[in-house]
Amino acid sequence: EVQLVESGGGLVKPGGSLRLSCTGSGFTFSTYNMNWVRQAPGKGLEWVSSISSNSDYIYDADSVKGRFTISRDNAKNSLYLQMNSLRAEDTAVYYCATLHYGDYYFDYWGQGSLVTVSS
Amino acid sequence: EIVMTQSPATLSVSPGERATLSCRASQSVSYNLAWYQQKPGQAPRLLIFGASTRATGIPARFSGSGSGTEFTLTISSLQSEDFAGYYCQQYNNWPLTFGGGTKVEIK
Repeated sequence: EVQLVESGGGLVKPGGSLRLSCTGSGFTFSTYNMNWVRQAPGKGLEWVSSISSNSDYIYDADSVKGRFTISRDNAKNSLYLQMNSLRAEDTAVYYCATLHYGDYYFDYWGQGSLVTVSS
Repeated sequence: EIVMTQSPATLSVSPGERATLSCRASQSVSYNLAWYQQKPGQAPRLLIFGASTRATGIPARFSGSGSGTEFTLTISSLQSEDFAGYYCQQYNNWPLTFGGGTKVEIK
């Protein structure tokens, strides 16, 4: 069974930093392109960042470019999101998700980790 | 960026009735369109990809159609577990973009 488990969310002040982690199991993590997708309270889904299986390409949404950094460690089956210069509008549940092998829709999702940016 | 627009924002349907949800793209996305279901407090779940192919384990009452800029998700006979939020997503171009969602509620 595929499992994605996020951790690292919490309350942070504006301008602060936070690092999210996602650990995958039940599939060959190193062969999948991985992603972060977020959802602000009561709002829709927003793609945040993607990283290829071997980290040779990275795409970021304009809303987080220059502030967030996606990375992965295939030896640890882990995905990360380093979030710097956080703003109130970054408040959201952050989901880790796989891109279907060879395509660009999301087939497996974690349960999400809540990040709250507030003073 | 391709903008995805879903309508209606809220759809009130009685159990057993048919629900029809729409998704429009600001430019052609060919057949590169997925649908997701999300229940309160849960992660999204993939329903449909390639505009019309059901994901593994998705009941046959869910069907997708369309191509280019106009897409439809149809739930043929709503069950209690189908009352949820639904999102479309295009994957023809980067950035990957979602529609604003349609909430299907009990009438």
